[in-house]
Amino acid sequence: QKEVEQDPGPLSVPEGAIVSLNCTYSNSAFQYFMWYRQYSRKGPELLMYTYSSGNKEDGRFTAQVDKSSKYISLFIRDSQPSDSATYLCAMSARGSTLGRLYFGRGTQLTVWP
Amino acid sequence: EAQVTQNPRYLITVTGKKLTVTCSQNMNHEYMSWYRQDPGLGLRQIYYSMNVEVTDKGDVPEGYKVSRKEKRNFPLILESPSPNQTSLYFCASSSGTSGYNEQFFGPGTRLTVL
Repeated sequence: QKEVEQDPGPLSVPEGAIVSLNCTYSNSAFQYFMWYRQYSRKGPELLMYTYSSGNKEDGRFTAQVDKSSKYISLFIRDSQPSDSATYLCAMSARGSTLGRLYFGRGTQLTVWP
Repeated sequence: EAQVTQNPRYLITVTGKKLTVTCSQNMNHEYMSWYRQDPGLGLRQIYYSMNVEVTDKGDVPEGYKVSRKEKRNFPLILESPSPNQTSLYFCASSSGTSGYNEQFFGPGTRLTVL
């Protein structure tokens, strides 16, 4: 079983929709939870990160972590065509091998006008 | 500008012809890593390095070599490329000091092995 599972989609929504992206994980040692965004023909870039459980909001984006269920989510409100990208969840354990991240497979999102 | 650079960006080669993909970062990061990205499989780590002269295998190291002689550079070497190494490759670096280990990725190298 892969340590981080993510539905690859693809996901296609109209502009203005609320988008929900999710990942599950198996390693209870994970403490840091991140979302990377990757535009076509580019490298991934960090979008948001959360430490332990709870919510974090940044503009139209909200990251949620439920450690009891080993489940993380990214919500995008009022989605825009510019949000079209692949979204990858990533996790790391406190005190883990320096720099080691565990990635999901990524979910490809298309927002059409 | 803080960045990770990779060269070449695109490469078409033939089976067995040795090649090197260069990676350089200007952020004085300790940690560097190579990934390959394939459809349906996501990002898979090939090798990583925690400091100069310190390297270790990731999840898919077979057929690859790396070296870390200088802090800023981390080249990926394919001694005898095969078609199953056709992929999109990313180099990444991290300071390793933040708990969430933010990694900064290069623009990618698309490799085709015929």
